[in-house]
Amino acid sequence: SYELTQPPSVSVSPGQTASITCSGDKLGDKYASWYQQKPGQSPVLVMYQDNKRPSEIPDRFSGSNSGDTATLIISGTQSTDEADYYCQAWDSTTVLFGGGTKLTVL
Amino acid sequence: QLQLQESGPGLVKPSETLSLTCNVSTGSISSSRYYWGWIRQPPGKGLEWIGSIFYSGITYYNPSLKSRVTISVDTSKNHFSLKLSSVTAADTAVYYCARVNYGGQYFDFWGQGSLVPVSS
Repeated sequence: SYELTQPPSVSVSPGQTASITCSGDKLGDKYASWYQQKPGQSPVLVMYQDNKRPSEIPDRFSGSNSGDTATLIISGTQSTDEADYYCQAWDSTTVLFGGGTKLTVL
Repeated sequence: QLQLQESGPGLVKPSETLSLTCNVSTGSISSSRYYWGWIRQPPGKGLEWIGSIFYSGITYYNPSLKSRVTISVDTSKNHFSLKLSSVTAADTAVYYCARVNYGGQYFDFWGQGSLVPVSS
């Protein structure tokens, strides 16, 4: 069955660039989406169709998807970006989520 | 702005059926641009898709849960529902309902979530 693999954790210093990857077989042939989830809150869409940002998401968030890897990039990371991030894609008629990456800003 | 609100019993006993409803407000459930989904998250764990439904009643289910899941829609009440049968403690989770953008295949609006413990 199809799987999406994310690193469990990523650390970044404030103001630096964080990259969170999501790997899956030929993921670049599918649309990848990304969600941010802070403790006790519902997930929030931060990137869709690989590299499109909802209007309310800061432009320091960007995305790419090619080959087997989709990447969420956060430039000028702020402490408020500390959260869990999940990638998501469709395989045929099935929705898949990655296991999630905990982003720590320290 | 669209609002989604889960409702249902706060506790379910093992072997019984978990039932939740998602009320959709400030928007019609009968749009051809969207469909509707259920996602769950066990405490301290990641997101798991349960299934999705179109307003016409077409459904898609997670293969690992398919034998126990039924998702239905009631357009007259602007809500959709989840039933998960034969629950065990492993089904304890926060259950979210969400709207799915049909063209882009992403969840653009989420409910606040409903914690459903499975316990005797």
